[in-house]
Amino acid sequence: DAGVTQSPTHLIKTRGQQVTLRCSPKSGHDTVSWYQQALGQGPQFIFQYYEEEERQRGNFPDRFSGHQFPNYSSELNVNALLLGDSALYLCASAEAGIYGYTFGSGTRLTVV
Amino acid sequence: DAKTTQPPSMDCAEGRAANLPCNHSTISGNEYVYWYRQIHSQGPQYIIHGLKNNETNEMASLIITEDRKSSTLILPHATLRDTAVYYCIVRPPLNNNAGNMLTFGGGTRLMVKP
Repeated sequence: DAGVTQSPTHLIKTRGQQVTLRCSPKSGHDTVSWYQQALGQGPQFIFQYYEEEERQRGNFPDRFSGHQFPNYSSELNVNALLLGDSALYLCASAEAGIYGYTFGSGTRLTVV
Repeated sequence: DAKTTQPPSMDCAEGRAANLPCNHSTISGNEYVYWYRQIHSQGPQYIIHGLKNNETNEMASLIITEDRKSSTLILPHATLRDTAVYYCIVRPPLNNNAGNMLTFGGGTRLMVKP
């Protein structure tokens, strides 16, 4: 049974560009959350999607947006990239109402 | 802001028990204590969680003090593969909207040495 799958694994973008990261949740999971992890720090919550709607959002600007599809997969979009957006982006999935998130291995985004 | 305090780093000898402390003195009565770990270049991995009682699973044991202001994660026989950053997280119940998110602090970097 595949866990959480994220693509791509690594990505290099130029400042000002836009990027889309993708996540396929674990089988049976319908809730997807996104986290940003800067080097040497703990993950920071960006937002969570359930039933194709954003349910909760962390302290991130509107440049960060997302989407959830009917098959529960999700995308994270970041516009107008800044150097400070360089980080590991983690996707976590869960079954609604059930404790315990399963994390993917992340996408390493480098903005130059 | 993280609601937990953990030592930034700890060492443990291989085969010995690793005891990782966590202070959560402002925890509310309905908030859970969760532990995750993150091995280098991987996403966080769920270990265990508890509310009031001590808990044990195949990975670890969680000891929560009676006043719930602190807890200890115990890895009974640490191996080199247990080298990771361990995060202690206080989480509201799922019927609270804030329960959807995990608030990570800096964690404890555990180094298991041969």
